[in-house]
Amino acid sequence: AQSVTQLGSHVSVSEGALVLLRCNYSSSVPPYLFWYVQYPNQGLQLLLKYTSAATLVKGINGFEAEFKKSETSFHLTKPSAHMSDAAEYFCAVSGQDRDDKIIFGKGTRLHILP
Amino acid sequence: EPEVTQTPSHQVTQMGQEVILRCVPISNHLYFYWYRQILGQKVEFLVSFYNNEISEKSEIFDDQFSVERPDGSNFTLKIRSTKLEDSAMYFCASSDWTSAYEQYFGPGTRLTVT
Repeated sequence: AQSVTQLGSHVSVSEGALVLLRCNYSSSVPPYLFWYVQYPNQGLQLLLKYTSAATLVKGINGFEAEFKKSETSFHLTKPSAHMSDAAEYFCAVSGQDRDDKIIFGKGTRLHILP
Repeated sequence: EPEVTQTPSHQVTQMGQEVILRCVPISNHLYFYWYRQILGQKVEFLVSFYNNEISEKSEIFDDQFSVERPDGSNFTLKIRSTKLEDSAMYFCASSDWTSAYEQYFGPGTRLTVT
């Protein structure tokens, strides 16, 4: 069984400050891990993914995440927040079979303060 | 860049009516999925489809739901008799072996059942 826990349903950071969105996962099989972003009234856009290669993964828009097996974590960071980063962020996990479903966390809404 | 498309973007229907949500996956993809997101909640897996049959379905995907790939390009989700609680955003996704299990999501269809 797989699950994802995102700590904090809402996170507020000042523009230019560090963004840190926390995600812990549980998986009985080696996981693939993802972060998706959803802007208001839009679909899901993949930010980055971990697929058993490098543990530090770089994605679009300056985001990155580090897979830490010992901590079962996959936290998302960005050094300097921009107003355009305001959105809902979903951490997700899947198995490594071809047609494995993706299990999403409940999401964290990121607010950027001017 | 290839993308998954979905129609309509918004569907309003009365309780008890049948609805068909349509998706055009990326052309060389082999695995297809439906997810839904009730307003304010997380994205939930409904069903996966490969080689013209269902691979896996969730508890949500009961006898009222069905999926079909009627031709070489479309992938549809049918709800036979809609309920109020079926109101949600429905996302189609597709993936291929070569994309390292990355699922590409469409923009979604917002279904409103009145």
